[in-house]
Amino acid sequence: EPEVTQTPSHQVTQMGQEVILRCVPISNHLYFYWYRQILGQKVEFLVSFYNNEISEKSEIFDDQFSVERPDGSNFTLKIRSTKLEDSAMYFCASSVVTSTDTQYFGPGTRLTVL
Amino acid sequence: TQLLEQSPQFLSIQEGENLTVYCNSSSVFSSLQWYRQEPGEGPVLLVTVVTGGEVKKLKRLTFQFGDARKDSSLHITAAQTGDTGLYLCAGAKNAGNMLTFGGGTRLMVKP
Repeated sequence: EPEVTQTPSHQVTQMGQEVILRCVPISNHLYFYWYRQILGQKVEFLVSFYNNEISEKSEIFDDQFSVERPDGSNFTLKIRSTKLEDSAMYFCASSVVTSTDTQYFGPGTRLTVL
Repeated sequence: TQLLEQSPQFLSIQEGENLTVYCNSSSVFSSLQWYRQEPGEGPVLLVTVVTGGEVKKLKRLTFQFGDARKDSSLHITAAQTGDTGLYLCAGAKNAGNMLTFGGGTRLMVKP
């Protein structure tokens, strides 16, 4: 069964460093998303991406964040200058835009900022 | 701001008991999804409901979407220890839109 994959599974970085989190969405899906989950808290929406542009973003998704679809399969989230509070699980998701519009999630990348 | 409130937050029951988890909002959603999440992993889809009043069954799990599409419930019959986990509801306003997640219900089923 097709699934969303993410790499790396765990990323440790120093505060102020740039990180890129990678995702391969399900191949026939058209919408891509990033969410994050700080330990012990709710899953929070960051950004959605459709037709090579951002379609929706939350207040969390400030100028330090960017997304890109560099080729036909990958979808990346870049954090330019990481802060301690960026430490969280980051989940990529994808969906086919239908009436049910189910979003399928990847296993996540645990980002630890020291 | 859309909010989804889940209740209860924690539930500890004996194997064989029945339980219901609730997901409530003042907002209308075009679809509502239920996920199960294990520690350190991504949410795994259980079901999507889209029609007001819809009932879907997945073995011993029964999901219902409220008539006004503002609330949903998950009922588990004869719970088993393997049902232990975190159950999340998440709603979308429109297709392709962000999901708003509830805070989750952490279920523990004791043998």
